Amino acid sequence: SQTIHQWPATLVQPVGSPLSLECTVEGTSNPNLYWYRQAAGRGLQLLFYSVGIGQISSEVPQNLSASRPQDRQFILSSKKLLLSDSGFYLCAWSIGTSGGVGTQYFGPGTRLLVL
Amino acid sequence: AQSVTQLDSQVPVFEEAPVELRCNYSSSVSVYLFWYVQYPNQGLQLLLKYLSGSTLVESINGFEAEFNKSQTSFHLRKPSVHISDTAEYFCAVRGGGATNKLIFGTGTLLAVQP
Repeated sequence: SQTIHQWPATLVQPVGSPLSLECTVEGTSNPNLYWYRQAAGRGLQLLFYSVGIGQISSEVPQNLSASRPQDRQFILSSKKLLLSDSGFYLCAWSIGTSGGVGTQYFGPGTRLLVL
Repeated sequence: AQSVTQLDSQVPVFEEAPVELRCNYSSSVSVYLFWYVQYPNQGLQLLLKYLSGSTLVESINGFEAEFNKSQTSFHLRKPSVHISDTAEYFCAVRGGGATNKLIFGTGTLLAVQP
C-alpha cells in the first residue's frame, strides 16, 4: 500500500530564516505531487505541483519554491521566511497517468509558525 | 473552467440529528467529484468520490452523497451525526488536463454539539 510522509510535523522559525519541508511517498512510482497551504481558518491553496523529476509548476507567485530531486520526493523551500508564510502545509500525491480521475492522497501536514 | 462552491462555512448541529453539507460545482469536462474530511491538525482524508455509475455514493462511516447533474450538486448527508464527526469537510472537482489537479471548495466546518 502507499504511504506519504511529511516532516517536520511542526516548525517555529524566525522571520528571514530559510525553510525546507520534505515530503516522500512510498509504494508507488511516478506519482503527481502537490504542495498546498492552509492559512488559519481558510481553505486550501495549491502552491506547486509536479508531474515528474525536475518538473515543477507554480500556481501562485510567492516567497516559496519547490523541487523534486527524486521520483517520490518533493521539497518546499524558502530563502527568507515572511510572517505571511505561517500556515499548515500539506503534501499530496495522485496517480501519475494522463487523464486519471484525480484522487489525491494527503500527508499529515507540517504546521509552520513564523515569528 | 472548473469550480466548486460550498455555501455554508459552518454548520452547527446537535448529536444524532441529520445533516446536509452543500456543494455545487461547475465543470466543462468529465465530472469527477470528491468529499474530503479534515480533523483538527491533520491532513485531508478521502471520504467518498463519484466517478461514474450510481449517482449515490456511500462512505464506510455512514455519510453519503448524491451526484445531481441537472442541479450541478454533490451534497453530503448523514442521517445521524456523532460528536466524532466534528471536522472540516471539503468538496472538490477534478480539473481538466493531465495533471490530476483538484479544485477545492472553501470548506464547511461541521460542529456537532451534545
